[in-house]
Amino acid sequence: DVKVTQSSRYLVKRTGEKVFLECVQDMDHENMFWYRQDPGLGLRLIYFSYDVKMKEKGDIPEGYSVSREKKERFSLILESASTNQTSMYLCASSLQAYEQYFGPGTRLTVT
Amino acid sequence: AQSVTQLDSQVPVFEEAPVELRCNYSSSVSVYLFWYVQYPNQGLQLLLKYLSGSTLVESINGFEAEFNKSQTSFHLRKPSVHISDTAEYFCAVTQSNFGNEKLTFGTGTRLTIIP
Repeated sequence: DVKVTQSSRYLVKRTGEKVFLECVQDMDHENMFWYRQDPGLGLRLIYFSYDVKMKEKGDIPEGYSVSREKKERFSLILESASTNQTSMYLCASSLQAYEQYFGPGTRLTVT
Repeated sequence: AQSVTQLDSQVPVFEEAPVELRCNYSSSVSVYLFWYVQYPNQGLQLLLKYLSGSTLVESINGFEAEFNKSQTSFHLRKPSVHISDTAEYFCAVTQSNFGNEKLTFGTGTRLTIIP
């Protein structure tokens, strides 16, 4: 079975802190994705990556950056966390877009 | 660009009753369509997909969806729901041309089963 793991299920950070969210997949997938999920807004794509060191902006990249130094790991970085970044963050990986495998999510609260 | 509309944000249904969750899409090119399910406190899982061929697709737990090109719809149905179907359901679309790896998700429908 494909497994996508995220470093934390719950995270509480203060405004202005630098935040790292880590995602690791074990199926040698080329593609990896970061979404945020908010009530009534569904999933919105923040960044995605087709390959190591490759990254593409999604629909809402402002305030975020990403890093993909190894194929299995995709990190989301909040350079200076703000309260409007309080959300559920979901990581996914895929060989092809229509088979995206999701991690359990990280619920981030910024106070 | 493509978009997905799920008009119903919440659908309460009595146990063993039928249910339909509506999904409409917009795209200028041909598409692939998906339903994902998110059980409480979990990530999303692929429920079923339409890529080509038969317009009626089924999942292993009794859900089905029908691709209707003329109405640009991909509604999800189940003839008899169970408590375990309580979850949030997301419709998603991607363009079927090679190289487009992004999914566009709808806003989700929360299905609540009433005992």
